[in-house]
Order: sequence, then C-alpha cells, then structure tokens
Amino acid sequence: GAGVSQSPRYKVAKRGQDVALRCDPISGHVSLFWYQQALGQGPEFLTYFQNEAQLDKSGLPSDRFFAERPEGSVSTLKIQRTQQEDSAVYLCASSSELGNEQFFGPGTRLTVL
Amino acid sequence: AQSVTQPDIHITVSEGASLELRCNYSYGATPYLFWYVQSPGQGLQLLLKYFSGDTLVQGIKGFEAEFKRSQSSFNLRKPSVHWSDAAEYFCAVIGVTGGGNKLTFGTGTQLKVEL
Repeated sequence: GAGVSQSPRYKVAKRGQDVALRCDPISGHVSLFWYQQALGQGPEFLTYFQNEAQLDKSGLPSDRFFAERPEGSVSTLKIQRTQQEDSAVYLCASSSELGNEQFFGPGTRLTVL
Repeated sequence: AQSVTQPDIHITVSEGASLELRCNYSYGATPYLFWYVQSPGQGLQLLLKYFSGDTLVQGIKGFEAEFKRSQSSFNLRKPSVHWSDAAEYFCAVIGVTGGGNKLTFGTGTQLKVEL
C-alpha cells in the first residue's frame, strides 16, 4: 500500500494479557517511530528505529514494553502484562530521512479492561 | 529538552471566519516545526513544516504558519474556515541537535466549526 498501515485497528485486552501491535511502514523508509496517544493528549514518543537498529527507546514507559524491527521493515510493539494505564492509541510513523516528514498510520486503539 | 505549548484546548469559529491557532515552543536553537491535523479515527496528517528560510510557510488545505523566533511561536492561520476543517490540530517540534529526530507534540487544539 501507499501509506503506513497498522494492525489491529482495535484491541481489547484483559489486564495481565500480552498484546502485539504491528506496523507496516512505507516501503523504503528507513526510519520508524512508535508514539503513544492517551485520550485528550498529544502523541508521546516511545521508540525509534533506523533500519533494524533501535536507536532510541527512551520513551518506553516500563520494561513491559518491547519493540522490534528485525528485518528493517515491519515493526512490532509488544506490551506484556497489560495494565489499565496502557489504554491508549498507539501510532506508528515512518520517514525517509532524518528530520524529514513523518508519515503516520491510523493507529491501534488499545483498551485494557 | 524541547517542549511545545498549545494554550487553547478548544476553539469554536463560524464557517467563513478566519482562524489562528497558537503554538509556542521551547528549544535552545532553531527547531524543525510542524503542524499536524487529526480527524476522528484517522492518523495524523501533515499540514505544513518549517525547517529554515522564509518564516511564512504555506501548507495544504489553505493553511499557513509563521515562525517568529523572538516570540518562540509558530501560529497556524487560515483566512476562511470550512466546516470540513473541524478536527484536532497538533503543533510539534523536532530538535535539530540533542533531541534526536523524535517529534515532541503539544496537547492539541480541538477546532469546532459552526455553520
């Protein structure tokens, strides 16, 4: 496809379950970003990949959050032992160059019950 | 660390009226500045960006923004608002140095357009 895609679009999890969120960036984009957007807030940075290398994970809120991009294309954000405070929209973005426009996917809305 | 402030949480304007959404940033050097729009259930769409050069930048959908270094501001404007402009608007900054290339967003301004 032409844009960034994310799946699933909606995920409901029971507290304590593990979840995996997928991001397919725009083909050829070397940079990939994950953001978390809580209700009524702006997106907040979680982590950043350049190709398969995770260069910045300073925004991950706890060690329950883990992201990977093993082949430098598709990325997965995994949340272990989900908590209610993890409920948010998780946005993925990709860009072709450092500092250039980031193209966002539609997001995955995670609800933890 | 860089930060962005959007002082207006909600703004209501009449269709056809002019619009200005405020954005103030905090950063030690010249930042890269962006305005994004988010419609319900949609991802973020870039309206415009400022990297350097002319401080008045034109974007899509008739929007423009002006970078004012002395005021640390990057306000978004549109001369005549359309009902379809109702959405949430986010100002964001990338630090050229030190902050990596992650976007730091403001908390957003929700725009309502009255017909």
